[in-house]
Amino acid sequence: AQTVTQSQPEMSVQEAETVTLSCTYDTSESDYYLFWYKQPPSRQMILVIRQEAYKQQNATENRFSVNFQKAAKSFSLKISDSQLGDAAMYFCAYRSAGGSARQLTFGSGTQLTVLP
Amino acid sequence: GAGVSQSPSNKVTEKGKDVELRCDPISGHTALYWYRQSLGQGLEFLIYFQGNSAPDKSGLPSDRFSAERTGGSVSTLTIQRTQQEDSAVYLCASSLGPSGGAYEQYFGPGTRLTVT
Repeated sequence: AQTVTQSQPEMSVQEAETVTLSCTYDTSESDYYLFWYKQPPSRQMILVIRQEAYKQQNATENRFSVNFQKAAKSFSLKISDSQLGDAAMYFCAYRSAGGSARQLTFGSGTQLTVLP
Repeated sequence: GAGVSQSPSNKVTEKGKDVELRCDPISGHTALYWYRQSLGQGLEFLIYFQGNSAPDKSGLPSDRFSAERTGGSVSTLTIQRTQQEDSAVYLCASSLGPSGGAYEQYFGPGTRLTVT
């Protein structure tokens, strides 16, 4: 079974600064997807960014980028120019690309606070 | 277009009562997932529907939990004889499914269930 670990329960960052959230995972599969989801107090889970394991290039979405290290099974999220609206719980998630399993396996989350 | 909707937003019930939680997926999405988010267990997969295939029930915690999906669209998650440990936020998500090119799961706002 796959596991996802987020070792930082809480993080804080000054507005306009950069912060990196860590995520490691364990799997025996070679093909899979990794995601970062954001959950504000409204409870709505919002997809921030995704990475296909077969792609060597790190995904980027505006101020959000990832550092995907497949051999190390590491998938960190970098938020640049942090904004107050970035404050939320962030979840790292794994999904198999093959077989019948399509559900997401989530980490325990990192609560991000953005300081004005 | 409309996103995933869930009802009710909040539900308070007495221990031992049955509850039904509803999910309306995004139109055209063939895959539908239920997850549970609780303080002690984090985000857990419950059940997965894909088209007309038999659902993947591997995440259901006990036989008090069941779900159905009528007409390949709306889904209802039923919890019988509720217990206090069932208190959690129940999240529904939908996606285009494995036959589609996009695998992102889009989440609803969740139902917060409180068992007293």
